[in-house]
Amino acid sequence: KAGVTQTPRYLIKTRGQQVTLSCSPISGHRSVSWYQQTPGQGLQFLFEYFSETQRNKGNFPGRFSGRQFSNSRSEMNVSTLELGDSALYLCASSKGGGNSPLHFGNGTRLTVT
Amino acid sequence: SQELEQSPQSLIVQEGKNLTINCTSSKTLYGLYWYKQKYGEGLIFLMMLQKGGEEKSHEKITAKLDEKKQQSSLHITASQPSHAGIYLCGAASNTGFQKLVFGTGTRLLVSP
Repeated sequence: KAGVTQTPRYLIKTRGQQVTLSCSPISGHRSVSWYQQTPGQGLQFLFEYFSETQRNKGNFPGRFSGRQFSNSRSEMNVSTLELGDSALYLCASSKGGGNSPLHFGNGTRLTVT
Repeated sequence: SQELEQSPQSLIVQEGKNLTINCTSSKTLYGLYWYKQKYGEGLIFLMMLQKGGEEKSHEKITAKLDEKKQQSSLHITASQPSHAGIYLCGAASNTGFQKLVFGTGTRLLVSP
């Protein structure tokens, strides 16, 4: 069974640009969550989508947005990039229930210059 | 907001030795996950604990949840170089089991 796939693996962008990250969940998983990992703040929850609806949201500015498609694939968008957005962005999928563990992808490393 | 404190922050052990990593929560635990991460890569799911007193094992790794103490421990028996990495505990929120708060991690090195 294929794991969570994130593309691209690496990205370099300039301040002010926008970026879209993609995540394909494990087959059969309907929940996709996004996390940001930085050396200073650690792992922080961005948002979760379940059946194309945002079910939970973390404390990030509106520049961070996401969506989920009918096949459960998800995209995350960051607009007007800032240097502080440089991070490893991790996507996790699960079946969505309370006893369903999250399975993470290898992440997208975003560098903003 | 909930905070998770992990101890120790880093650990160097000789191959074959046992070790324990602790994770203490500032609030009630509704579910506790343990993950392992290699530098710059994704998180590998190890175990999920949901009930007080629950204990799970996978290969040489055992995790326990002490609900009263709001604490979990991860124990590795007879450590091997393959156990090296960053161990992270994550707590589920009572508003969403996919909304996890993570500890700052414990970096483990295993020397031959």
